[in-house]
Amino acid sequence: EPEVTQTPSHQVTQMGQEVILRCVPISNHLYFYWYRQILGQKVEFLVSFYNNEISEKSEIFDDQFSVERPDGSNFTLKIRSTKLEDSAMYFCASSAGTKETQYFGPGTRLLVL
Amino acid sequence: AQRVTQPEKLLSVFKGAPVELKCNYSYSGSPELFWYVQYSRQRLQLLLRHISRESIKGFTADLNKGETSFHLKKPFAQEEDSAMYYCALSVQGAQKLVFGQGTRLTINP
Repeated sequence: EPEVTQTPSHQVTQMGQEVILRCVPISNHLYFYWYRQILGQKVEFLVSFYNNEISEKSEIFDDQFSVERPDGSNFTLKIRSTKLEDSAMYFCASSAGTKETQYFGPGTRLLVL
Repeated sequence: AQRVTQPEKLLSVFKGAPVELKCNYSYSGSPELFWYVQYSRQRLQLLLRHISRESIKGFTADLNKGETSFHLKKPFAQEEDSAMYYCALSVQGAQKLVFGQGTRLTINP
């Protein structure tokens, strides 16, 4: 069964550094999402992406964040200048349609020191 | 703003006992409700959604618009049901899922 994959599984970075989290959505899916979960808190929506543009974003997704689909398979989340409070588990998800089931990746645990 | 509340962070029941995980939501329109499950060391996966009206792994959930609830139930818990359960909501015109805090269910032998 096809799955969403994410790399790396863990990333440690220094405050102020740029990080890129990578995702490979399920191949025939058209909608892509990023969520994050700070330890002990809810899973929070960050952004959705369709047809090479952002279709929806939350207040968390400020100018420090960007998303890109650089080729036909990868979907990336970039944090330009990481802050301590960006430490979280970041989940990528994809779906075949706007109201179809969202399939989640295993997550990338980001630690900002 | 939409909100999902799962009042129990932890729930522990014995094998064979009934299970009910509570979920309440706030949204003035017609939401779509989901239950996602995360087993140990595995990814979040959809358990069921209210529009499907299915029973998955013996679990059912009924959307009660009057009480704004979508509680998850299973009549006889099994040890393999131990996991983290998240209730989530999506609203018309939006793609995002709004998640509750999650309930960690432990089934004792």
